[in-house]
Amino acid sequence: NAGVTQTPKFQVLKTGQSMTLQCAQDMNHNSMYWYRQDPGMGLRLIYYSASEGTTDKGEVPNGYNVSRLNKREFSLRLESAAPSQTSVYFCASSEPFNRELFFGEGSRLTVL
Amino acid sequence: QQQVKQSPQSLIVQKGGISIINCAYENTAFDYFPWYQQFPGKGPALLIAIRPDVSEKKEGRFTISFNKSAKQFSLHIMDSQPGDSATYFCAAKNAKAGGTSYGKLTFGQGTILTVHP
Repeated sequence: NAGVTQTPKFQVLKTGQSMTLQCAQDMNHNSMYWYRQDPGMGLRLIYYSASEGTTDKGEVPNGYNVSRLNKREFSLRLESAAPSQTSVYFCASSEPFNRELFFGEGSRLTVL
Repeated sequence: QQQVKQSPQSLIVQKGGISIINCAYENTAFDYFPWYQQFPGKGPALLIAIRPDVSEKKEGRFTISFNKSAKQFSLHIMDSQPGDSATYFCAAKNAKAGGTSYGKLTFGQGTILTVHP
């Protein structure tokens, strides 16, 4: 059982380049999330999707866009990468009213 | 702004000792307080959680103590083991986010725990 799968695991970009982080879950969860983890900052919510067809901004949405492609997949796009977006990105999923959040293993992004 | 403040940033404990990590919050609308454990190269995983209507919750060697009046909660790891070495995050959920939004968590800064054998 794979759980939450993120691709790619590592990526290096130059300032101004664009890329998409992919996330897929096989637990039939309705809700999906994108967090970023930075040293000394903990994890901060970028965007979330409470259910298929809906997306909403989290705490730090600037510079990002998301797409809930179907119930399984939730992608995060950086249109014009900036060094401040260097981070480890985590996708997560959960069921509504279920308190446990299931995380992927992360995607480490470096923007030069 | 950081709505959940976690301390210490790092902690070194000898095997068999007690590890204590503290968190403080300001927002009285928070109604759910989980702790997540993260091993290197992995995503965080739920360890234990508490609601503000109880003062303590214990699961094995892990205990959450909650002080609603002080707006503080802490994680105690009894008989700490080298396998407990990980990063620990406290978190909180705003009741206004609704029951469908348990994933909309505000996290603390994290504590890197090292347990020496």
